Amino acid sequence: AQTVTQSQPEMSVQEAETVTLSCTYDTSESDYYLFWYKQPPSRQMILVIRQEAYKQQNATENRFSVNFQKAAKSFSLKISDSQLGDAAMYFCAYSVHNDMRFGAGTRLTVKP
Amino acid sequence: DTGVSQDPRHKITKRGQNVTFRCDPISEHNRLYWYRQTLGQGPEFLTYFQNEAQLEKSRLLSDRFSAERPKGSFSTLEIQRTEQGDSAMYLCASSEVVTRGAGGYTFGSGTRLTVV
Repeated sequence: AQTVTQSQPEMSVQEAETVTLSCTYDTSESDYYLFWYKQPPSRQMILVIRQEAYKQQNATENRFSVNFQKAAKSFSLKISDSQLGDAAMYFCAYSVHNDMRFGAGTRLTVKP
Repeated sequence: DTGVSQDPRHKITKRGQNVTFRCDPISEHNRLYWYRQTLGQGPEFLTYFQNEAQLEKSRLLSDRFSAERPKGSFSTLEIQRTEQGDSAMYLCASSEVVTRGAGGYTFGSGTRLTVV
């Protein structure tokens, strides 16, 4: 069974600083996709970034980047130049054959 | 297209009553998913459709739960004889079928169910 583990229930970062959210997953598949989703309070889930397992290059989307370590089954999210609007729950997700499973989430607080 | 729409946004019901939620996916998306999210947890997979066919159901989906997607467009999720443990946010998402892996899901805003 696929499992996704986010070991940090809560994280805090100072505005304009950098923070890294951790995610590990367990799978026997070799070809899969990984995602980070953001869920602001009382708002819908938004896709932040995605990584294809067969690509070695780490994905980057503006201030968001990932560190994908396939052998270690690790997929961390780095947020640079944190902004107040980044405050949200962040969910790591794993998908294979269009079947997506989520971790329990990390609540990110951004301090002004 | 305004994205994935869910109705209602909030539902309060008495234990034992039946409730039905609706999801309208993005029109070009042929896959539709239902998830349940309890407070402080990530979404848990319930079921998904490809067009009108229900392809997978989680063991979380007890006999009191039923989902339909007639004509491969909108979907409904019905919970019969609701229990307090059914209180949660019910999320709908849609996606295109891609050849490899997943194209990423577009989520609706969810329906928050409270069973009293």
